Parts: sequence; structure tokens; C-alpha cells
Amino acid sequence: SQQGEEDPQALSIQEGENATMNCSYKTSINNLQWYRQNSGRGLVHLILIRSNEREKHSGRLRVTLDTSKKSSSLLITASRAADTASYFCATADSGSARQLTFGSGTQLTVLP
Amino acid sequence: GAVVSQHPSRVICKSGTSVKIECRSLDFQATTMFWYRQFPKQSLMLMATSNEGSKATYEQGVEKDKFLINHASLTLSTLTVTSAHPEDSSFYICSARRPVASRFRHNSPLHFGNGTRLTVT
Repeated sequence: SQQGEEDPQALSIQEGENATMNCSYKTSINNLQWYRQNSGRGLVHLILIRSNEREKHSGRLRVTLDTSKKSSSLLITASRAADTASYFCATADSGSARQLTFGSGTQLTVLP
Repeated sequence: GAVVSQHPSRVICKSGTSVKIECRSLDFQATTMFWYRQFPKQSLMLMATSNEGSKATYEQGVEKDKFLINHASLTLSTLTVTSAHPEDSSFYICSARRPVASRFRHNSPLHFGNGTRLTVT
């Protein structure tokens, strides 16, 4: 079942601007992951944040996690046209060692 | 480079025929692989978990006789869409994890194939 809700569903920004995407979930989690999907392709893992972490950085990516609010955000700084893609959050539930539950995704368009 | 290979990337078939999709882990052995279905502009829906050497575990609402899964080796899982109909047209994606100790499995990311676009006419 899909428990993650992401907003916005679609985001369009100019190159150089920052993009922020949000994800909410419902159950207790071990970790939350963000993936990127280019149109018609598979997903690529971007970053993982554990339930005991509050913030994590990787290059131009910054992820926050608020377990009390059951929400996460992905910030892409200094966006580029090549960042245009769909971004999905995925949660690894505490009760399930293997499965990930994916959010509904945010379609990001970065205009050159 | 890619660590999970999925083939074919696109297939068009006539209604009533069966289609086989392959998912291979390229440089690791995967005892478990996951099969997802994705409709346009929507999220991934887990269809089933493929287990090497045993029966697949299907999600609620997924017909096991319709979507046959075979995980005959540690590097290959196949999904066969039997007697395909136009409503089966979709994007099918597989994924797998590199082997890690079970206590770390939660924190191991998934590696995805590039997906298969199935069109049933």
C-alpha cells in the first residue's frame, strides 16, 4: 500500500533556484529514502536518512526528517536543468525488513 | 554503472499472448527481488516479492496466476504476464538489494532496473 504523500505534485522552477519537496508518512519507520526517476526509466537512490537522524547532506541535496510529524523534506540547491525528474520518498517500515513503500512523487521541472 | 538489468525495455504484444520480463542482478547475488507496476504519473505499486528457490509473495489484489514470477537463480527473476489484456499495459520495474547482514537490511538502498514498458493491443 502507498502510505507516502508528497507535495507538491508538480514543481517548476528556474535554473539556479532551490527546489523543496515534502513527504509525509503514516507508520513507524526505520529509515526514509529519496529516489529520483527520469521519464521512462528506473529509479535511482539519492539519499537515506535513518529514523534517529534529523538532517543529512549529500552534495546539493539536503534531507530533513521529523519523526514526530512523520514528515521529510528534500531540498535541491542551485538546481540545474538536468535535475528535471520525478522524485519519490520511500519508507522502510519498522515492521517490514525488506519492503519499501513509495510516496506519490513530485515532478520537478527545472527551466534553463 | 547499472547493477540491475531489466529486459526488454519495451514490448508490444497482442491481447491474449504472454510476455516475459527478465530482471538480472549484474554483480551481486539477490535472494530477493521486487516487482513493481507504475501507471503514468503515479507512484510505484509493489506487486510481489520474488524469493530465490521458493514461491513469490504477492501483494493483496495481485493475481498470482496472471503475473507468474520465477526466481530460479540468485541473479535472475522473471515476471510473466499471462494472457495479457490492454488493461495490463503499464510500466513494470524490478529492484534488488545488495546482500548485507540482516540487521543492516533496513538501511540498504534498492537498485532498480530501467523498467519495461508493456503495451497490449
